[in-house]
This record gives sequence, structure tokens and C-alpha cells, in this order.
Amino acid sequence: SYVLTQTPSVSVAPEETARITCEGNKIEDKMIHWYQQKPGQAPVLVVHDNNVRPSGIPERFSGVNSGNTATLIIKKVEAGDEADYYCQVWDFTVDSWFFGEGTTLTVL
Amino acid sequence: EAQLLESGGGLIQPGGSLRLSCAASGFVFSSRAMAWVRQAPGKGLKWIAGINGSGHSTYYAESVKGRFSISRDNSKNTVSLEINNLRAEDTALYYCAKVALAGVTDGAFDIWGQGTKVVVSS
Repeated sequence: SYVLTQTPSVSVAPEETARITCEGNKIEDKMIHWYQQKPGQAPVLVVHDNNVRPSGIPERFSGVNSGNTATLIIKKVEAGDEADYYCQVWDFTVDSWFFGEGTTLTVL
Repeated sequence: EAQLLESGGGLIQPGGSLRLSCAASGFVFSSRAMAWVRQAPGKGLKWIAGINGSGHSTYYAESVKGRFSISRDNSKNTVSLEINNLRAEDTALYYCAKVALAGVTDGAFDIWGQGTKVVVSS
């Protein structure tokens, strides 16, 4: 079982930069994906393969993955970015996907 | 436009069985691995099962092995999840999701359905 650890909550003011972290053993060796989930809605992929934005996702969203920590970076945060964010990896040693516990982003 | 639509959820007594279905449209279904993810009330996302494009390879979270079975019918563009011996802790919203890249199993989930709700209670 591959454990992904996320900070439960992050708060930032509008226009500031939010950094949401996901820790895992040698996570830099894995491709990490990030999802945004707003209340009552299905998750939406916002970054895949560490730092690739799907079509339609604003450039404000980006990602880095180094060492034991992957980070989702959201620049110039807006009220509409308030959501839960989850990281995800595939662990080939057990042929399984794993999600982090999620981080709630609050825009002050 | 790629879409997924889940069905089959409901109120089930403990010990019962259930078959969830997910109808896919808008993409070449047989070329994509598919997955089921569940979310218990107020909790986070938990991956539970996956299947490759041909249906010949299946994958399960350790916690559900033996009780859950994933399958697909590429002629009908559907993927199913059979759940046996339901427990209260299986109560959750069950999402169907599509793997983004063709021909791989381990990619990101780029399309999600809206979920089907399963409540296990007597």
C-alpha cells in the first residue's frame, strides 16, 4: 500500500498563491495527478503527469514533483477555486491507484 | 463529448448484492481502461477497482478483493461493478472514471460520471 499524505486544509487570500502538498515515499519516481472536487460535484482533473494541464484548465494551475513531495500550485487564487483537492498515483508494484486524503482549499 | 453515466445504486440490506453499471459514450470505449472510485459521506476519494481496455486484466484495492468484481462489455460500451456481501461501510457514492490515455492502465482519470449512491442499511 502506497500512502499519500496531504495537509487537511489550506487557506489563502484572493490573488495569492496556494500550494497544496502531497507527500509519499520517493514520490518523484511516480506520475502524480491532481483533482478538484467542489461540493456536490464529481472530481475534475486539473493537472496530470506531474505538471500537465488538461484542456480547459486555467494556466494558473501547475504542479511540481520532487523528492518525497508533490505540489499543486494555484496562482492568483479566485473564490471559485474553493474546493477539495486530491492527489493520485499509480503504484506499479501492486497495480493499484492511490489517492491522498484530500486538502480543503479555503479562499479568505 | 465523452460522457459516463452510472446506474444501479440504491438501498440494500447488509449481506446483499448489487450490480452497478456505467454507460460510456463519446469516445472509443475499448481503447480505454476504466475504474470505479467511491466516496463515503463526508470522506475522500477511494479507488476500488480497475479494468484494462480489453477486459482481460482487472485490478482491485486490497480492501475489496474477493467481494467486488469489475467487468466490461465493449460491444455495449459499459463497465460494471458487482458487489457481494454488502456491509454498512460500503455506503458511498460510486463513481465510474475513464483513464485518459489509450492503451494504458495507469493514467489519470480525465472523465468522471456523476456517481450512483449506494446505502447499506437494514
